Amino acid sequence: GEDVEQSLFLSVREGDSSVINCTYTDSSSTYLYWYKQEPGAGLQLLTYIFSNMDMKQDQRLTVLLNKKDKHLSLRIADTQTGDSAIYFCAGNSGYALNFGKGTSLLVTP
Amino acid sequence: DAGVIQSPRHEVTEMGQEVTLRCKPISGHDYLFWYRQTMMRGLELLIYFNNNVPIDDSGMPEDRFSAKMPNASFSTLKIQPSEPRDSAVYFCASSKQGVPMDEQYFGPGTRLTVT
Repeated sequence: GEDVEQSLFLSVREGDSSVINCTYTDSSSTYLYWYKQEPGAGLQLLTYIFSNMDMKQDQRLTVLLNKKDKHLSLRIADTQTGDSAIYFCAGNSGYALNFGKGTSLLVTP
Repeated sequence: DAGVIQSPRHEVTEMGQEVTLRCKPISGHDYLFWYRQTMMRGLELLIYFNNNVPIDDSGMPEDRFSAKMPNASFSTLKIQPSEPRDSAVYFCASSKQGVPMDEQYFGPGTRLTVT
């Protein structure tokens, strides 16, 4: 499948904003997704953005898409300890998803 | 709905043994996906089914792996013979329609350890 690249780790302090970055190579992806995986659990869809959009806001979450650079980011405002998890960026490839390796977010008090 | 159900949650087996992982998708979902998660390779799609028919198995590592979906409510992923490098967490997911039209719902995963 096509490559989806993410930084592996991010540590932030509670109350700060977190920004998780992703780059992808498959320009045919019509949707880009952010999934969250808590310890010992499966993945859960957080939000998604259609490829012809630049930005989407959903409560504390803001997704930015730079289609020219194939760069996607997820900003979490007022990060809480409960946000500590692994965050996966994904693009659709046909009827399936192509995931990055995930970014481990650690939120410290 | 109970969500996607996977069993067993943990499996420890010796090299060379046959391993069968099981999945029950959400009722009414037409698509079923099997993924494998490792530290080295991240989350990889192994195979997916639409209406019980395998659509894309290009992610299946080799002939030791096989997947079936005998009916709309049950799927298996079998590894025979198992090898230590198969150790991973295996996830099953289902969706009503394929992406991008619909969200994939993931099961809790099966952690497989092959010694």
